[in-house]
Amino acid sequence: NAGVTQTPKFRVLKTGQSMTLLCAQDMNHEYMYWYRQDPGMGLRLIHYSVGEGTTAKGEVPDGYNVSRLKKQNFLLGLESAAPSQTSVYFCASSYGGQGYNEQFFGPGTRLTVL
Amino acid sequence: QKEVEQDPGPLSVPEGAIVSLNCTYSNSAFQYFMWYRQYSRKGPELLMYTYSSGNKEDGRFTAQVDKSSKYISLFIRDSQPSDSATYLCAMSDHGGGSYIPTFGRGTSLIVHP
Repeated sequence: NAGVTQTPKFRVLKTGQSMTLLCAQDMNHEYMYWYRQDPGMGLRLIHYSVGEGTTAKGEVPDGYNVSRLKKQNFLLGLESAAPSQTSVYFCASSYGGQGYNEQFFGPGTRLTVL
Repeated sequence: QKEVEQDPGPLSVPEGAIVSLNCTYSNSAFQYFMWYRQYSRKGPELLMYTYSSGNKEDGRFTAQVDKSSKYISLFIRDSQPSDSATYLCAMSDHGGGSYIPTFGRGTSLIVHP
């Protein structure tokens, strides 16, 4: 099992450009999440999904859109990138049932917006 | 004030020391308490979890929850250089069937030989 994979691993964008980050999981998890991690800020939830075809806003959703057309994939889009979106982006998935709902994280995507 | 507070450190200790990592929280509805470990340039991985109050031990690691004080701790005995990482606490409740955790900012731990 590959677990949670993220594409790409690194990306440099210019202000105003758009891009899509792809997350894939092979654990048949219901829940999927997108976080950003900045120095001193910890993990901040951008958007999440509790099942195929569903999405919901997290703590910092502005400037991002998401889609969950297939259960195993969760896409994060930046329509018009800004330097404030320079960050490390982590995707995670979880079973989503009762209990501690362990999250499994991908390796991250390092995005720089110039 | 964030729901979960965690000192970002860094915390630097010599090899063999006992390490204490802590988080405080404000939401009394939190029932599940987790510790994730994140190595440099990697994604976080679940280290331990506890439900409600009490202690849980796993090898050199002990997780402790004090719900009356809204305070959780992770103790590492006989710390090793390989324990150098960022430790994030996370908490969740049962509300509305959603178990989305709330994370602390993480504490950077450095164990030097």
